[in-house]
Amino acid sequence: EAGVAQSPRYKIIEKRQSVAFWCNPISGHATLYWYQQILGQGPKLLIQFQNNGVVDDSQLPKDRFSAERLKGVDSTLKIQPAKLEDSAVYLCASSKTSGPNYEQYFGPGTRLTVT
Amino acid sequence: KNEVEQSPQNLTAQEGEFITINCSYSVGISALHWLQQHPGGGIVSLFMLSSGKKKHGRLIATINIQEKHSSLHITASHPRDSAVYICAVGNSGGSNYKLTFGKGTLLTVNP
Repeated sequence: EAGVAQSPRYKIIEKRQSVAFWCNPISGHATLYWYQQILGQGPKLLIQFQNNGVVDDSQLPKDRFSAERLKGVDSTLKIQPAKLEDSAVYLCASSKTSGPNYEQYFGPGTRLTVT
Repeated sequence: KNEVEQSPQNLTAQEGEFITINCSYSVGISALHWLQQHPGGGIVSLFMLSSGKKKHGRLIATINIQEKHSSLHITASHPRDSAVYICAVGNSGGSNYKLTFGKGTLLTVNP
């Protein structure tokens, strides 16, 4: 079974530029998560999708971050414009559905550096 | 105060030592998760538990719901156990299950 795929793995941009990250979850997984992990911190949930609907985006800075999962499969996360404090690893995870008995499988992450 | 506190933040051990990492939380939970993160970012789920104790190989996880505390133990530690160990608590709100993560414990096991 293929794991969660993410691209790119690394990205360096200047502040005020735009960037997009892509995630392809495990086939058949209805729930998709985007996390932001700042160096030395645990992951923080940015947005959670159930199929193609958003179920939690309470911690997404909506003035600059957006995400979509149009066909309920792969997803993109965009930052526009980027700030220095957006430097972090962006992790995508998926699970069969949402619930304590369903393991989340994480992708390798995209390391973003904003200069 | 963070909802999930881990201790210690950093831990260095010699190969073969018994390791304990602690996690305390301040909210009611549906389940508690232990995860492992190797350099380069990949995160792997180790345990999910809502009561008692679970064991997998040399890893043991325990939880005390009344005291809001969990421990992860590693017996006969090995250099390949070197990683960041993260505690996360899960809460169900409606149909949505959400994890809140601790900052992690960086474990280094020296040969």
